[in-house]
Amino acid sequence: AQSVAQPEDQVNVAEGNPLTVKCTYSVSGNPYLFWYVQYPNRGLQFLLKYITGDNLVKGSYGFEAEFNKSQTSFHLKKPSALVSDSALYFCAVRSRGYGQNFVFGPGTRLSVLP
Amino acid sequence: KAGVTQTPRYLIKTRGQQVTLSCSPISGHRSVSWYQQTPGQGLQFLFEYFSETQRNKGNFPGRFSGRQFSNSRSEMNVSTLELGDSALYLCASSVAGTGVRETQYFGPGTRLLVL
Repeated sequence: AQSVAQPEDQVNVAEGNPLTVKCTYSVSGNPYLFWYVQYPNRGLQFLLKYITGDNLVKGSYGFEAEFNKSQTSFHLKKPSALVSDSALYFCAVRSRGYGQNFVFGPGTRLSVLP
Repeated sequence: KAGVTQTPRYLIKTRGQQVTLSCSPISGHRSVSWYQQTPGQGLQFLFEYFSETQRNKGNFPGRFSGRQFSNSRSEMNVSTLELGDSALYLCASSVAGTGVRETQYFGPGTRLLVL
């Protein structure tokens, strides 16, 4: 069975500082991995994904994530946080193969303080 | 290109009623998935449709059902509503649901309140 853990419910960071939002996963085989962001009263917006190849994935709004197979992690990072990055972040995994569904983590609320 | 649209955006129903939500995917997308989002349970997968066929189903009771039309638009129906069905229902579409075209794009959601 697939599962995703986001060990931190809340992450606080000062504006201009680097940020990390953690994600670990459990899935058989090689996964597809995703990060989404949700702003208040809105649907999820796609940030980035890992399919194959380079373990460092660059995405929207200056975010990047590093796939670490040995640690089964896919942490989201940004070198310099903005107040506007404050939102709810979801990590998701999907097994390879036809007809596999997405499993989302519980979400991490990021607060960037001015 | 227009994004995923969901109608209605807000809905208030009473227990025992039924409700139908609609989702129009991005043009060219053939896979539509539905999710329920609640503060307590987070994002939970309901079902996925691809080319008018249900391809996957989450762990929800039979009161939750859906269908997809030939133009890829999808509807989900909840019968005999319960208070616990109050949630944000999100629809997501993707090209084919496999491989590098895997990315799901979400609509703004329909917020359902059951009284």
